[in-house]
Amino acid sequence: DIVMTQSPDSLGVSLGERATINCKSSQSVLYSSNNKNYLAWYQQKPGQPPKLLIYWASTRESGVPDRFSGSGSGTDFTLTITSLQPEDVAVYYCQHYYLTPPAFGQGTKVEIK
Amino acid sequence: QVQLVESGGGVVQPGRSLRLSCTVSGFAFSPYGMHWVRQAPGKGLEWVAVIGYDGINKDYADSVKGRFTISRDNSKNTLYLQMNSLRDEDTAVYYCARDGPGRPAAGTLYFQHWGQGTLVTVSS
Repeated sequence: DIVMTQSPDSLGVSLGERATINCKSSQSVLYSSNNKNYLAWYQQKPGQPPKLLIYWASTRESGVPDRFSGSGSGTDFTLTITSLQPEDVAVYYCQHYYLTPPAFGQGTKVEIK
Repeated sequence: QVQLVESGGGVVQPGRSLRLSCTVSGFAFSPYGMHWVRQAPGKGLEWVAVIGYDGINKDYADSVKGRFTISRDNSKNTLYLQMNSLRDEDTAVYYCARDGPGRPAAGTLYFQHWGQGTLVTVSS
């Protein structure tokens, strides 16, 4: 099974500043036949289900603000929020879907500093 | 708009059974793979099971294999999770989730849409 590890576990960022969350997979999630990274990012606010933000490591889901961006390839990935807004306070999860079982990272809690 | 609505959660004693349902609307159900994902209180997300668009291909997390069964009725736009031999550690909010569009070249797909979840509490 592929294990996903996020860092840090929590992050305090001032409003308008950049937030960076890292995600590392225990093996590559880059599928060579189509050159796609099977990596997604989700946002979960308290009392709500997760919401898809990014898929294929860097494709933003429709309706997601462009301050959210994903990057990386192979085993190392990053979610960046370029200018943190109050509504971005949430827990963020990376997930691989390269094979079953798909697996999530442990989550990163983003708060306002 | 796309909607997924789970039902069937509740309080159940260890060793007993429960069946969850997820009724969808706002999209054509039959072309999509579907998943169950759970979240224990205050914890992270754990994938539980997947079923292919045609109901034939299924897979499970090791933690539920042999106890849970995923199924679907495309004529009713409904996904199910039959949970037997429930344990304390199965206590969680259970979400159903829909794959993104298309057929995966490998693995599965990202989870594009999620329901609001239904709480299952296993307790004596």
